[in-house]
Amino acid sequence: DGGITQSPKYLFRKEGQNVTLSCEQNLNHDAMYWYRQDPGQGLRLIYYSQIVNDFQKGDIAEGYSVSREKKESFPLTVTSAQKNPTAFYLCASSRRTGGVWDGYTFGSGTRLTVV
Amino acid sequence: ILNVEQSPQSLHVQEGDSTNFTCSFPSSNFYALHWYRWETAKSPEALFVMTLNGDEKKKGRISATLNTKEGYSYLYIKGSQPEDSATYLCALATGGFKTIFGAGTRLFVKA
Repeated sequence: DGGITQSPKYLFRKEGQNVTLSCEQNLNHDAMYWYRQDPGQGLRLIYYSQIVNDFQKGDIAEGYSVSREKKESFPLTVTSAQKNPTAFYLCASSRRTGGVWDGYTFGSGTRLTVV
Repeated sequence: ILNVEQSPQSLHVQEGDSTNFTCSFPSSNFYALHWYRWETAKSPEALFVMTLNGDEKKKGRISATLNTKEGYSYLYIKGSQPEDSATYLCALATGGFKTIFGAGTRLFVKA
């Protein structure tokens, strides 16, 4: 079955460490996204990528980095520069149909906790 | 800054009740409004995408309407069932890759 796989489901990080969250899709979608969710807030865009080897900052990119070396993969690194990294992270992908971007297909998320 | 508001924040209903919640936004300058259902421990899944004023979409007991002139969308659930318990997200696609999400309405359906 096609879909998006995020790993790990839960991740604990010590302060000052970088961690990388994995996101893989087998939907052949061109675009991929990383969102962050905090309690009581809507999803906020961290980074997105329209095509391989290209990505753009979203609304809250500071302290994060991404790469898009393969169409299927869009890993997110939470660096030590991110002041408040404890959150739930969602990866998504989408495709273009008839010149319009479809809605998202989401992964099941990674909950990151800084200890 | 475009803001998408969802109300109520949470809702408790009895099995069999019909219910509705609202997504409101200040502008009609967008190209699509999406509704997603997000069950606990699962991925959000797409319910509807609407683009035109007056759009109505239906999937089983769930339906949605869109009013772009007054800036709102309603999601209706007829005869709620416990399996409808989830968070319902509204998202406004404003063009390019900019999509604004509401904070969601958390629905609890008691058997």
